[in-house]
Amino acid sequence: EIVLTQSPGTLSLSPGERATLSCRASQSVSSSYLAWYQQKPGQAPRLLIYGASSRATGIPDRFSGSGSGTDFTLTISRLEPEDFAVYYCQQYGSSTGTFGQGTKVEIK
Amino acid sequence: QVQLQESGPGLVKPSQTLSLTCTVSGGSISSGSYYWSWIRQPAGKGLEWIGRIYTSGSTNYNPSLKSRVTISVDTSKNQFSLKLSSVTAADTAVYYCARVVVPASPFDPWGQGTLVTVSS
Repeated sequence: EIVLTQSPGTLSLSPGERATLSCRASQSVSSSYLAWYQQKPGQAPRLLIYGASSRATGIPDRFSGSGSGTDFTLTISRLEPEDFAVYYCQQYGSSTGTFGQGTKVEIK
Repeated sequence: QVQLQESGPGLVKPSQTLSLTCTVSGGSISSGSYYWSWIRQPAGKGLEWIGRIYTSGSTNYNPSLKSRVTISVDTSKNQFSLKLSSVTAADTAVYYCARVVVPASPFDPWGQGTLVTVSS
């Protein structure tokens, strides 16, 4: 089973700042089958990025994904108030579809 | 646009079986090539994939839950279901259903989630 480790656990930033979130896999993620989700309290996760770098429908271009193999990054270029949330990475190259433990982006 | 909605008891007693249903609207559950999945999230914790079913009925389960999980599909009702047996307090969580496009895609869309509490 592929284990995904996200860092940092919590990121304290101010609106307008740049956020860089990391997701590291225990083994190579096939075909860059790596997704990022945003989750706000009381809501289901929302798909942001798939295929490591493709934005899902309706996702603002301040969200970008990069990486391949075992190292992946989600970047939010300029934080808006609505971006403060928990972010999860997920690999979907294997049948089990494992998630990282999440990174919380909080207001500093 | 496909939408998913979970339903089922919000309270289950320890050692009993948790049963949830996901109703698919806006499209047929048997059209296209999809995996219909269940995911759960204990309060304040991360996401755990439970398992999935293909429209043909074939299933894959999380190895850590495999002995207790059954996922089934009812195409006549456009629903798929989750049964988790011998539950304990550790199974208390928000349970989500979601769709995956075959052969591999992220979970999208998701249901809104339903809280299931295991308590006597």
